[in-house]
Amino acid sequence: DTEVTQTPKHLVMGMTNKKSLKCEQHMGHRAMYWYKQKAKKPPELMFVYSYEKLSINESVPSRFSPECPNSSLLNLHLHALQPEDSALYLCASSQKTGAYNEQFFGPGTRLTVL
Amino acid sequence: AQKITQTQPGMFVQEKEAVTLDCTYDTSDPSYGLFWYKQPSSGEMIFLIYQGSYDQQNATEGRYSLNFQKARKSANLVISASQLGDSAMYFCAMREAYNFNKFYFGSGTKLNVKP
Repeated sequence: DTEVTQTPKHLVMGMTNKKSLKCEQHMGHRAMYWYKQKAKKPPELMFVYSYEKLSINESVPSRFSPECPNSSLLNLHLHALQPEDSALYLCASSQKTGAYNEQFFGPGTRLTVL
Repeated sequence: AQKITQTQPGMFVQEKEAVTLDCTYDTSDPSYGLFWYKQPSSGEMIFLIYQGSYDQQNATEGRYSLNFQKARKSANLVISASQLGDSAMYFCAMREAYNFNKFYFGSGTKLNVKP
């Protein structure tokens, strides 16, 4: 099973809502990532978890809160978002962090903030 | 300086022809990995091919090959026998050994395959 799954596929939320994005992989990978991608731009790294510990937070605003409950699951909790947070949110995983480990991406969640 | 540079914002290729997508990179780390991803309009990033900095031979995966020229710091993707389904955005990416948590992406090349 070489698949990363993400739910939901689409999400529309108001600026006062609280919602969560979910990512799951069953490849035994020990590194998981959240990216944000605006249209026609490359993905921007938000968070990296390595062995279930947060190892990188790329100065992401606190209205985004990641959580890694176990080695297969990664959540992104959203609260009080702004319209400029509307984007494609991609989850990825790799066997480990390291120069020779490719990342496998999920299909993404298209988020619209009204 | 940019870590990954893709100088072709858009390219056209005729179906069944070969096409080369350019990628140059910048690093002082002797150990690094280079990757190519395809992103169709649906949004999913699909891993295509990988080249390690110490690999002596160019990587190949089916119709994809990576033309790795280490001295020139280039890692061009060659797609042979283009198909209509190859129309997508293509991203070159790099990972360094000493900064291994980060994946550096280029700005992408939009490939359109014409019938």
